[in-house]
Amino acid sequence: KAGVTQTPRYLIKTRGQQVTLSCSPISGHRSVSWYQQTPGQGLQFLFEYFSETQRNKGNFPGRFSGRQFSNSRSEMNVSTLELGDSALYLCASSLSAGVQETQYFGPGTRLLVL
Amino acid sequence: AQSVTQLGSHVSVSEGALVLLRCNYSSSVPPYLFWYVQYPNQGLQLLLKYTSAATLVKGINGFEAEFKKSETSFHLTEPSAHMSDAAEYFCAVSHSGGGADGLTFGKGTHLIIQP
Repeated sequence: KAGVTQTPRYLIKTRGQQVTLSCSPISGHRSVSWYQQTPGQGLQFLFEYFSETQRNKGNFPGRFSGRQFSNSRSEMNVSTLELGDSALYLCASSLSAGVQETQYFGPGTRLLVL
Repeated sequence: AQSVTQLGSHVSVSEGALVLLRCNYSSSVPPYLFWYVQYPNQGLQLLLKYTSAATLVKGINGFEAEFKKSETSFHLTEPSAHMSDAAEYFCAVSHSGGGADGLTFGKGTHLIIQP
């Protein structure tokens, strides 16, 4: 079974631009979560989607948004990019949104904002 | 709020030696605990998880972790280190609200294997 895929793998943008990242979960998984990883802040939860609904969101500004499609694929969007948005963005999928569900991570999209 | 503390941002061991990576958590409810490994330029790979079925959890690649409620710890061990174990290791706790609040991760421990 194919794992979680993320596209693109690398991205360079300039301040003020917007960016859209894509995540395809493992087949059959209905929950998708997004995380931001930076050297300073570590891994931080962005948001989670289950059955096309955002269930919760981490402590990030409204510039960070996302959505999930009927096939469980998810996208996240960052508008008005700032230098501090440079990070590895990880997507994780799980069968459902239960507390003990294991999240399986993709390879990430590395975003560099200049 | 739940939190995870990983003691030691860097741990260095000799090849063949015991690996011990420390993780302490705080949680107001019984937690679900996970250990993930991250190799350079890759995502996170699950090593093992604790879901209250057994306090000693065995994972992949010879790793295991023991849940100790009295010490609020979930330390990761491997009896004999291999060069291929060099990576970043993350301990994480799942919120009682389920995946809705996501995983809370520790800062990570970089494991260095000396030949």
